[in-house]
Amino acid sequence: IAGITQAPTSQILAAGRRMTLRCTQDMRHNAMYWYRQDLGLGLRLIHYSNTAGTTGKGEVPDGYSVSRANTDDFPLTLASAVPSQTSVYFCASSLVKGGTDTQYFGPGTRLTVL
Amino acid sequence: GQNIDQPTEMTATEGAIVQINCTYQTSGFNGLFWYQQHAGEAPTFLSYNVLDGLEEKGRFSSFLSRSKGYSYLLLKELQMKDSASYLCAVIDSNYQLIWGAGTKLIIKP
Repeated sequence: IAGITQAPTSQILAAGRRMTLRCTQDMRHNAMYWYRQDLGLGLRLIHYSNTAGTTGKGEVPDGYSVSRANTDDFPLTLASAVPSQTSVYFCASSLVKGGTDTQYFGPGTRLTVL
Repeated sequence: GQNIDQPTEMTATEGAIVQINCTYQTSGFNGLFWYQQHAGEAPTFLSYNVLDGLEEKGRFSSFLSRSKGYSYLLLKELQMKDSASYLCAVIDSNYQLIWGAGTKLIIKP
């Protein structure tokens, strides 16, 4: 692995189903983030984690949950998917949370909720 | 509220120069990023400005004026591969990253 990987690449999901988007980084970055990107809107932060064992809510956290059991992995779970969660989801990481550290992005997961 | 404004779309000719503007109104300022995002791909880092002035990096330069809440990204000697969206993002007083919607740049031969 080099950088950040996300899985799946794309997914079509029935409304009401549970879904976990996976994210793994091998850069030993402390901070990780989940964003959603919708046409005409900027990247919006869903949840973040400053370090393993801690998580925080971003701008649009409702309907999503995260966990950070270790440094490398930061899964995002949709407990009961709704069509408004159709989006492209990007995972990112940086050495530390906030400040001037550059964020590095995974390739994204394109999710369609029907 | 916090707001970052960028033009939605711009068109330029291969070999020319283009300037993409970004204005921001945020609660505090701790730096500004420019990212490039090709269609269907992840954003990738281009530049970071925290002090006023011009930062040059090859064909790309980024300018910041904190007093005016304004930045621009200057792309010289445009190539077809520069066709992408360019995202402006500001670090606010809480060290949160606020993203603009991005400018889609179309390069024509």
